[in-house]
Amino acid sequence: DIVMTQSPDSLAVSLGERATINCKSSQSVLYSSSDKNYLAWYQQKPGQPPKLLIYWASARESGVPDRFIGSGSGTDFTLTISSLQAEDVAVYYCQQYYSGPRTFGQGTKLEIK
Amino acid sequence: QEQLQQWGAGLLKPSETLSLTCAFFGGSFSGYCWTWVRQTPGKGLEWIADINHSRNTNYNPTLKSRVSISVDTSKKQFSLKLRSVTAADTAVYYCARGGRYTNSAPLDCWGQGTLVTVSS
Repeated sequence: DIVMTQSPDSLAVSLGERATINCKSSQSVLYSSSDKNYLAWYQQKPGQPPKLLIYWASARESGVPDRFIGSGSGTDFTLTISSLQAEDVAVYYCQQYYSGPRTFGQGTKLEIK
Repeated sequence: QEQLQQWGAGLLKPSETLSLTCAFFGGSFSGYCWTWVRQTPGKGLEWIADINHSRNTNYNPTLKSRVSISVDTSKKQFSLKLRSVTAADTAVYYCARGGRYTNSAPLDCWGQGTLVTVSS
């Protein structure tokens, strides 16, 4: 199975500042023939299901604010929130859908400083 | 508005069978890959199984011997059964929609979640 490891486990950022969450996969999730990274990011608020934010590592889901930016390739990925808003407090997960059982990172809890 | 609504028993005794159903509303059901995921405080989000438009199934190897997933396209529903449950199966279970004509896709629509507790 592909192991997804996120860092940090928790993060506190001031309103309006940048938040950066990292995700590392134990093997590449880049499919060379399509040049696509099979990597998604989700946001989960308390009592709610996860919500898809980013897919193909950098494509923003419809309706997601443009302050959410996904980047990276191969085994190393980053979710950046360019200017943190109060409503962004949540747990963020990365997920690979490249092969085998679809695996998730352990989550990063984002709070306001 | 596309949405998934799920239901099933929330309290089970050890050795019983977990049974959950998920219904899709507000869009096309055909061609998609339908998925079950569970979440525990200890293990986080765990993908359980999926089933595609051709009724091909994929199962997490750690659960494969106890799990079955099925689909009823006429009702726009799909279901999960997990046999011989233990306390370790206590979790919030989610249904979700995957890709169209592929299971290599993110999960873009989720059910509200069902807390299933296994306790004697």
